Amino acid sequence: NAGVTQTPKFQVLKTGQSMTLQCAQDMNHEYMSWYRQDPGMGLRLIHYSVGAGITDQGEVPNGYNVSRSTTEDFPLRLLSAAPSQTSVYFCASSYSGSPGGGSRQETQYFGPGTRLLVL
Amino acid sequence: KQEVTQIPAALSVPEGENLVLNCSFTDSAIYNLQWFRQDPGKGLTSLLLIQSSQREQTSGRLNASLDKSSGRSTLYIAASQPGDSATYLCAVRPLSSASKIIFGSGTRLSIRP
Repeated sequence: NAGVTQTPKFQVLKTGQSMTLQCAQDMNHEYMSWYRQDPGMGLRLIHYSVGAGITDQGEVPNGYNVSRSTTEDFPLRLLSAAPSQTSVYFCASSYSGSPGGGSRQETQYFGPGTRLLVL
Repeated sequence: KQEVTQIPAALSVPEGENLVLNCSFTDSAIYNLQWFRQDPGKGLTSLLLIQSSQREQTSGRLNASLDKSSGRSTLYIAASQPGDSATYLCAVRPLSSASKIIFGSGTRLSIRP
């Protein structure tokens, strides 16, 4: 298994440009999520999905859109990039987004990250 | 609102020492707590997941404990090695919003040879 993959690894955008960060997993995980990581602030949840066709907002959703048309893919769209969106973005997945299934169900697997610089 | 804190932000110890990393959370109503490791420029790797009904979990030289009532967890690393150098993050899954995992900002650990 490739696990969780993210593309691109690094991207530079100008303010106002749009782009899509790609995330894919081949583990048949139901739950997928996007985080951003900023220095000294840990990871903050942007959006998440508990299954194909179902998405919901996290802690910092403004300026980002997501969709989940398949189990495997969960792209993150920046509609109009702003310098405040300069960050490292991580995609994660797990078998289940619901607790109670046990450690194997709930353990999260992370992609390698996308470094985004908005000028 | 649930908040997760990890102190200190950075720690440097000589090789071979046993050490403890701390994690505290403000709301004890959690399903579980997870410890992750992050190497520079890389994603996160799950180390241990402790369910709210458990007191500790062990994996090799790592032992994680959970005291839900006091809002604390510790990650114990025995006989530390230079390869243990990384940032360690803890994260909780709150009862109030089970699909939203909340992370601490991490402790950057450096093991000196």
